[in-house]
Amino acid sequence: KAGVTQTPRYLIKTRGQQVTLSCSPISGHRSVSWYQQTPGQGLQFLFEYFSETQRNKGNFPGRFSGRQFSNSRSEMNVSTLELGDSALYLCASSLTGIGDYGYTFGSGTRLTVV
Amino acid sequence: DAKTTQPPSMDCAEGRAANLPCNHSTISGNEYVYWYRQIHSQGPQYIIHGLKNNETNEMASLIITEDRKSSTLILPHATLRDTAVYYCIVRGSGGSNYKLTFGKGTLLTVNP
Repeated sequence: KAGVTQTPRYLIKTRGQQVTLSCSPISGHRSVSWYQQTPGQGLQFLFEYFSETQRNKGNFPGRFSGRQFSNSRSEMNVSTLELGDSALYLCASSLTGIGDYGYTFGSGTRLTVV
Repeated sequence: DAKTTQPPSMDCAEGRAANLPCNHSTISGNEYVYWYRQIHSQGPQYIIHGLKNNETNEMASLIITEDRKSSTLILPHATLRDTAVYYCIVRGSGGSNYKLTFGKGTLLTVNP
């Protein structure tokens, strides 16, 4: 079956712009999570969605937002980009997001802010 | 989620077993031990998870001590493609725990 698909794979944006990243989960998975990975901070949780509702949010400023559609696809948006937002953004899907189910990660979107 | 401690790096010879330790001394009764790995610039890959009993799948074995305060991930015959950062994560199964908390992991280097 198809895995988690993230688009685009690479993105270069200018400071102050905004960006939208997309994630299509595995078919049947209803939980979608987003993570940011940087060399300094490692992998950090951004937020998680289930049935179009945000259930959990990490410690990131309000410039980071997300949403989930009725088909479980998810988008995350970063407004007013800063140089420090340069990172690998990873999406993970899970059947329900709880229980002992594992998460399947996509290959990520590499965002560079210049 | 309970905190985990892993060695920052380990080496292993190709074809030999790789044993990656993880300490989780504050684990509580309903928390699972998960292992993920991340090959350079790719998304993390689920390997295995367990609660109390030892587990085995096609990728690896997970040995959890009887007191559940530590565990070992075993790759029985390491190959060069197993070179990656391995993350040990402790996570509760219910409530509002909808995330994985990653530490720094162990960089396993498999040498020819």
